[in-house]
Amino acid sequence: KAGVTQTPRYLIKTRGQQVTLSCSPISGHRSVSWYQQTPGQGLQFLFEYFSETQRNKGNFPGRFSGRQFSNSRSEMNVSTLELGDSALYLCASSLFGRQETQYFGPGTRLLVL
Amino acid sequence: QQQVKQSPQSLIVQKGGISIINCAYENTAFDYFPWYQQFPGKGPALLIAIRPDVSEKKEGRFTISFNKSAKQFSLHIMDSQPGDSATYFCAASVAGNTPLVFGKGTRLSVIA
Repeated sequence: KAGVTQTPRYLIKTRGQQVTLSCSPISGHRSVSWYQQTPGQGLQFLFEYFSETQRNKGNFPGRFSGRQFSNSRSEMNVSTLELGDSALYLCASSLFGRQETQYFGPGTRLLVL
Repeated sequence: QQQVKQSPQSLIVQKGGISIINCAYENTAFDYFPWYQQFPGKGPALLIAIRPDVSEKKEGRFTISFNKSAKQFSLHIMDSQPGDSATYFCAASVAGNTPLVFGKGTRLSVIA
């Protein structure tokens, strides 16, 4: 069974640009969550999508947005990038949002210059 | 406001020793407490988890101890091995469904 895949794995952008990251969940998983991981703040929850609807949202500015498609694949978008957005962005999928069934992808490392 | 506080930030343990990582939480509504293990270049992987109806859970060399009154839980790694060298995160959630709140992580190094 294939795991959670994230593309791209590495990305370099400049301030002010926007970026779109993609996540393909484990087959059959309908919930996709996104987390930002930084050395200073650790792992912080961005948002969760379930059946194409945002079900939960963390405390991040509106520059961070996401969506989920009918095949459960998800994308997150960050507009007007800031230096502080440099981080590892992790996607996790689960069957119905249950933490016991949640698996993380390898992440996309974003560097904002 | 950090809802889950993890310590220590880093830990060096001799091979064969016991690694102990502690976490404290504030929200008494939390009822699911997992530990994740993360290797460089990989996403976190669920290691072991506990619910507050038990005080201890053991899986192989990994044990979670849970103290509900103190709002603390800890991970014990017995007979630590160099392959256990990784970053460990404690986390908590409400009803097992809501987003996880993570501690800031502990970088464990097991030296021979």
